[in-house]
Amino acid sequence: NAGVMQNPRHLVRRRGQEARLRCSPMKGHSHVYWYRQLPEEGLKFMVYLQKENIIDESGMPKERFSAEFPKEGPSILRIQQVVRGDSAAYFCASSPQQGGTDTQYFGPGTRLTVL
Amino acid sequence: KQEVTQIPAALSVPEGENLVLNCSFTDSAIYNLQWFRQDPGKGLTSLLLIQSSQREQTSGRLNASLDKSSGRSTLYIAASQPGDSATYLCAVPGGTSYGKLTFGQGTILTVHP
Repeated sequence: NAGVMQNPRHLVRRRGQEARLRCSPMKGHSHVYWYRQLPEEGLKFMVYLQKENIIDESGMPKERFSAEFPKEGPSILRIQQVVRGDSAAYFCASSPQQGGTDTQYFGPGTRLTVL
Repeated sequence: KQEVTQIPAALSVPEGENLVLNCSFTDSAIYNLQWFRQDPGKGLTSLLLIQSSQREQTSGRLNASLDKSSGRSTLYIAASQPGDSATYLCAVPGGTSYGKLTFGQGTILTVHP
């Protein structure tokens, strides 16, 4: 059973461009979570999704950020008009059961660098 | 608002020592508590998950305890090895449907030969 997969592993964007980060959960997992780790800071929750639904987006910045988890295909975290402050490691996690009732399994992360 | 604190921030020990890492949380109404390990430039690996009804959980040389009423958890590492060097994070779930993990800042552990 393959683990959580994220791609790309490294992404470089210039200010003003769009960044699309992809996450394929573990097989059989229908719950996906996105976290961000800024340099020298801890991991911060961004959003929790279940297939086609956003369950909790309390950690998402109000502008430029969006996330989806369609019926088919990976979950996508989209950042529009990136700024230097968006440079961070973005981690995706998945779980088989609802929310924090079960272990969240993390992917290797996507490291975004904004020039 | 849940806040999670880890002490110490960094720890450097010689190989073979027994270690205790501490985690405290402000809201004791937790569902469970999870310990993770993060290697430099990598993702997180789940080490132990303790349900709120449990007092401790063991896996190999790792033992985690939970005292909900006092808002504390400890991770005990026996007979440390250089391969244990990593950042150790504790996290508690909250938010809508308990999907939001709130993490501590982590303890950076270095075990030297």
